[in-house]
Amino acid sequence: DGGITQSPKYLFRKEGQNVTLSCEQNLNHDAMYWYRQDPGQGLRLIYYSQIVNDFQKGDIAEGYSVSREKKESFPLTVTSAQKNPTAFYLCASRDRGGPNYGYTFGSGTRLTVV
Amino acid sequence: QQQVKQSPQSLIVQKGGISIINCAYENTAFDYFPWYQQFPGKGPALLIAIRPDVSEKKEGRFTISFNKSAKQFSLHIMDSQPGDSATYFCAASTNTGNQFYFGTGTSLTVIP
Repeated sequence: DGGITQSPKYLFRKEGQNVTLSCEQNLNHDAMYWYRQDPGQGLRLIYYSQIVNDFQKGDIAEGYSVSREKKESFPLTVTSAQKNPTAFYLCASRDRGGPNYGYTFGSGTRLTVV
Repeated sequence: QQQVKQSPQSLIVQKGGISIINCAYENTAFDYFPWYQQFPGKGPALLIAIRPDVSEKKEGRFTISFNKSAKQFSLHIMDSQPGDSATYFCAASTNTGNQFYFGTGTSLTVIP
């Protein structure tokens, strides 16, 4: 089955630690996205990538970093510079050239600072 | 600045009733308006979408109404069921845009 796989489902981070969230897709989509979801604030864009080896900052990129070395993979690193990282993180992909113009989302990673 | 404004924030409806969620936008370049449904602990899933060349689109119990002149669109859920209880997000995008702009979400509870 085609889809997006996010791992881990739950992640705990200690103060001052960097953590990396995995996102893999087998949909052959060119574009991939990372969103952060907080209660009452909807989905806020962190980073997005339209093609391999290229990515752009979204609205809340500070304290985060990404890479896009393969079309299928778009990992997100939450660095120690992100002061309030506890949130639900969603990865999405999009096939802009296909009939389904919308996003496909993964099932999310819940990150908690301990 | 919120590109897409969504209301209400929460909604409680009796089983069998009609649920209505509204969204408004300012950017007239938007040309694709999807609605997403999200259950707790899951990622959002595309529910239904519309383009501005039509005023209404229906898929089963779900209908999008689109008012281009008012720059508003809404989701109507007919014969609401407890299984429809979820958070609903509206969104908008341009044909050449790189991203979707999401509303802040509506938490729908359907009471049996």
